[in-house]
Amino acid sequence: IVLTQSPLSTHVTLGQPASMSCTSSESLEDSDGNTFLSWLHQRPGQPPRLLIYKISKRFSGVPDRFSGSGAGTDFTLNITRVEAEDVGFYYCSQATQVPLTFGGGTKVEIK
Amino acid sequence: EVQLVQSGAEVKKPGTTLKISCKVSGYTFSDYYLHWIQQAPGKRLEWMGLVDPEDGETQYAEKFQGRITITADTSSDTAYMELRGLSSDDTAVYYCLLSRAYWGQGTQVLVSS
Repeated sequence: IVLTQSPLSTHVTLGQPASMSCTSSESLEDSDGNTFLSWLHQRPGQPPRLLIYKISKRFSGVPDRFSGSGAGTDFTLNITRVEAEDVGFYYCSQATQVPLTFGGGTKVEIK
Repeated sequence: EVQLVQSGAEVKKPGTTLKISCKVSGYTFSDYYLHWIQQAPGKRLEWMGLVDPEDGETQYAEKFQGRITITADTSSDTAYMELRGLSSDDTAVYYCLLSRAYWGQGTQVLVSS
């Protein structure tokens, strides 16, 4: 399964929203109705960190300014008010099928 | 607190074998799959394979099949990833990933003659 993310990069003003998308080459819904689409955040020199799993569930400790939505093949990550610590790369990832696959990433920078 | 602590950075010669460890704490090691992920410079994250610590069963990505072995030692809550026949293409940061949620800190590997 190929995941395609857009945009490649985005420049955001602090306190303003940001949005990014992830499109899958095939539906990520499995036969049980589960969709294993996650969003990760990676700062330079750090490991990725799980933000969102199963499309829209925030992982432990993740601020509520992050939200995920979508279904089937099209998914979106929204940040309501970008903070300085939100810079870095955002990756979508699917675990509906093995092999797990990752999108190419969206780079978020501050204007 | 869940922690995955990986072994340190490595410099390897082409053709040699790499073995990285990942020690898990704060989580029941045998409850979930443990994955290994490669992040090569300028390339997207790539899944290498997984191990089920409960029974040792593994699955590997086609790209690495034949030169990768992933194992899990439940007596020490540690997983291992061995990669043979290294080339410069294997220069990357390698991560262990538990339950698709918890990431190790990464192990930087440089393959150079």
